[in-house]
Amino acid sequence: DIQMTQSPSSVSASVGDRVTITCRASQGISSFLAWYQQKPGKAPKVLIYLTSSLQRGVPSRFSGGGSGTQFTLTISSLQPEDFATYYCQQANSFPLTFGGGTKVEIK
Amino acid sequence: EAQLVESGGGLVQPGGSLRLSCAASGFTFSNYWMSWVRQAPGKGLEWVANINQDGSDKYYVDSVRGRFAISRDNAKNSLSLQMNSLRADDTAVYYCVIWHESSGYLDSWGQGTLVTVSS
Repeated sequence: DIQMTQSPSSVSASVGDRVTITCRASQGISSFLAWYQQKPGKAPKVLIYLTSSLQRGVPSRFSGGGSGTQFTLTISSLQPEDFATYYCQQANSFPLTFGGGTKVEIK
Repeated sequence: EAQLVESGGGLVQPGGSLRLSCAASGFTFSNYWMSWVRQAPGKGLEWVANINQDGSDKYYVDSVRGRFAISRDNAKNSLSLQMNSLRADDTAVYYCVIWHESSGYLDSWGQGTLVTVSS
């Protein structure tokens, strides 16, 4: 199974800050990586798929990058509605696996 | 717009069974792979199972293989998860999700249904 390791597990940031979350795969996953946002009590929502493709309706301040085993999610200017938990997920092979999550909190 | 509504969750004793259902609408259900993803209270996301468009191809996470069975009824736009030999660590919110095979991401999610395994 492919293990996904996210860092940091939590980050405190202010509105307007640039935030970068990293996801590392235990083996190469090509570009089959997605990012999700989850707010308390709600279902996750996909932000980015295939490493860097922005899901329709997602603000352009979200961007994804990387390849192989190292991937990033960047929020260029943090907005109040962005405080949430973020997960990466690999889709290179079954079982699909998620990172442990990164909680973005208000500083 | 796709809508997924899960039902069937509840409290069950260890060793018991439960069947989850997901009613799909707003998209052509028979065109898509479907998934179940779960989330234990206060924990992260865990993929559980996938099924292809006609139900001929199924995948499971190791921890549920042999105990859970995913199925679908395209005529009724319905996805199911039969869960047997339930354990305390199966306690979670279970989400029904559309899975995009070509790119591998989980698109539209239901609101989830809570399964609690406890005596």
